[in-house]
Amino acid sequence: AQSVTQLGSHVSVSEGALVLLRCNYSSSVPPYLFWYVQYPNQGLQLLLKYTTGATLVKGINGFEAEFKKSETSFHLTKPSAHMSDAAEYFCAVSPNDYKLSFGAGTTVTVRA
Amino acid sequence: DVKVTQSSRYLVKRTGEKVFLECVQDMDHENMFWYRQDPGLGLRLIYFSYDVKMKEKGDIPEGYSVSREKKERFSLILESASTNQTSMYLCASSISSSEKFYGYTFGSGTRLTVV
Repeated sequence: AQSVTQLGSHVSVSEGALVLLRCNYSSSVPPYLFWYVQYPNQGLQLLLKYTTGATLVKGINGFEAEFKKSETSFHLTKPSAHMSDAAEYFCAVSPNDYKLSFGAGTTVTVRA
Repeated sequence: DVKVTQSSRYLVKRTGEKVFLECVQDMDHENMFWYRQDPGLGLRLIYFSYDVKMKEKGDIPEGYSVSREKKERFSLILESASTNQTSMYLCASSISSSEKFYGYTFGSGTRLTVV
């Protein structure tokens, strides 16, 4: 079974500051990797994904993530936080069997 | 865009009731999933289905069953609702081709309260 660890259940950043959300996974095979965002009382929306190819992946709303196989990590970053980035973020992993395992989530708050 | 529609946003049911949560997707996806979401626990897989009339248990199937009579519809059934099943329930679907797999498309969720 896959294990996904998101470091920090809550992250608080100032508007305009860097957003960094950490995700590490355990996998015996090269996985598919995803970040999802959830706004209050909504379902999850795909931010970005890594399947194959370039290890630096760009997603929507200015987010990007880098797959580092040697570190089994897929950290999410955004250079400059906006108030609209306040949400819960989930890292997810699939070992190519189309079944995703999710981390516990990280709630981001943005201070004005 | 793929749409995944969950029939109810909010439900309140009594302990012992049989509860049906309905999910419909409109893009001919083979795979469908039911998760529950609880604070601090992330999303936990209840059941999934790779094809019509096919179902497999996820990580927490106890107290639940599912039905997939048509490709577009995947129903989650709480046979006898209990208060510990109060949660947000999320349905998702995905394509099964490895060349086109882009993760899941989620519905908006059903927040179920069992009293």
